[in-house]
Amino acid sequence: QKEVEQDPGPLSVPEGAIVSLNCTYSNSAFQYFMWYRQYSRKGPELLMYTYSSGNKEDGRFTAQVDKSSKYISLFIRDSQPSDSATYLCAMSGGTDSWGKFQFGAGTQVVVTP
Amino acid sequence: NAGVTQTPKFQVLKTGQSMTLQCAQDMNHEYMSWYRQDPGMGLRLIHYSVGAGITDQGEVPNGYNVSRSTTEDFPLRLLSAAPSQTSVYFCASSPTDPNTGELFFGEGSRLTVL
Repeated sequence: QKEVEQDPGPLSVPEGAIVSLNCTYSNSAFQYFMWYRQYSRKGPELLMYTYSSGNKEDGRFTAQVDKSSKYISLFIRDSQPSDSATYLCAMSGGTDSWGKFQFGAGTQVVVTP
Repeated sequence: NAGVTQTPKFQVLKTGQSMTLQCAQDMNHEYMSWYRQDPGMGLRLIHYSVGAGITDQGEVPNGYNVSRSTTEDFPLRLLSAAPSQTSVYFCASSPTDPNTGELFFGEGSRLTVL
């Protein structure tokens, strides 16, 4: 069983809708949680970073971490066609984990005009 | 700024051949790493380095070698290519503790092993 589970999608939404993405994980030692966006045939780029539990907002993006449920979420408000991409969750933390990240498989999002 | 540059972008190998994927960054980052990305598997860490002369294994190191002689360069060597190494390879670097900072990725190297 993978340490990080993420629904691969694709998730198709109309322009202007809220996109809701999530990951579950099994390692309770994870403390650092990130969301990356990856356009087709490009490298991932960091969208959001959260340490431990709580919410973080940046413009149209909100990241939530619930460590008690081992569940993280990313919400994209007022979605745009330019948000069409694959979204990867990543996390790290715990003994002997410095510099090592566990990535989810990625969720493909398609925002239709 | 060029950022993280990977070469080649595409490569086709025959089973048993060896090759080196090049990675260079011009941001003076101490931390560099190599990932492979396969459908349904996400990104998996192959090797990483915390500075010149220091490397360590990640989750899937078998069949790959790395070295770090300079801060800028972190090449990945495939010793004897196998079809299971067909993948997209990404190099990434970070300016500080990668757990609290940002990973900067290259655009990837697409490798096919026949």
